Amino acid sequence: DVKVTQSSRYLVKRTGEKVFLECVQDMDHENMFWYRQDPGLGLRLIYFSYDVKMKEKGDIPEGYSVSREKKERFSLILESASTNQTSMYLCASSPRRLAGGHWRDTGELFFGEGSRLTVL
Amino acid sequence: QKEVEQNSGPLSVPEGAIASLNCTYSDRVSQSFFWYRQYSGKSPELIMSIYSNGDKEDGRFTAQLNKASQYVSLLIRDSQPSDSATYLCAPGGGYQKVTFGTGTKLQVIP
Repeated sequence: DVKVTQSSRYLVKRTGEKVFLECVQDMDHENMFWYRQDPGLGLRLIYFSYDVKMKEKGDIPEGYSVSREKKERFSLILESASTNQTSMYLCASSPRRLAGGHWRDTGELFFGEGSRLTVL
Repeated sequence: QKEVEQNSGPLSVPEGAIASLNCTYSDRVSQSFFWYRQYSGKSPELIMSIYSNGDKEDGRFTAQLNKASQYVSLLIRDSQPSDSATYLCAPGGGYQKVTFGTGTKLQVIP
């Protein structure tokens, strides 16, 4: 089974603190994602990465940065946490598969259990 | 325009009935679609994938894809209270960024 592990299930931080959210996957997936989920707004993509040291902005990257130094690990960083970043953060990984002689992104996402961050 | 649109619900159906969940999308590049189920307080889990026009059946679940109409649906037959959850659809394949609809909350009434 695919396992995506998020380091912290619950965090409470103060405004202005630097926050690290860690995510590790054990299935050698190429793509990794960070989403936040808020009531009424659904899942919103913050950043994704398709390879080591590669990253792309999602729909709401402001106030966040990411790091992918190893294939299995994708970190989300809040440089200076603010109250509007209180949310559930979900990490996911996704494989590529060989189809028709080409490696293709499947779009199949496997999620971690989530990290609920509260910023006071 | 949002890439993926879903009716947020809640959709209430009696136990044993068919639940029909719908999703429309704006991106004609999408080649495949995925349905995820998310129980309250849990993370989403992949339950169905569909790669070509037509129907795909898996137990009580049937996914339907109509690329010409840019429409995908999920039918749940013989709905059970354990099916009560939020259902998310997402396009996939062909590009890396994956965005979701806001999800439809399904309530199955015993």
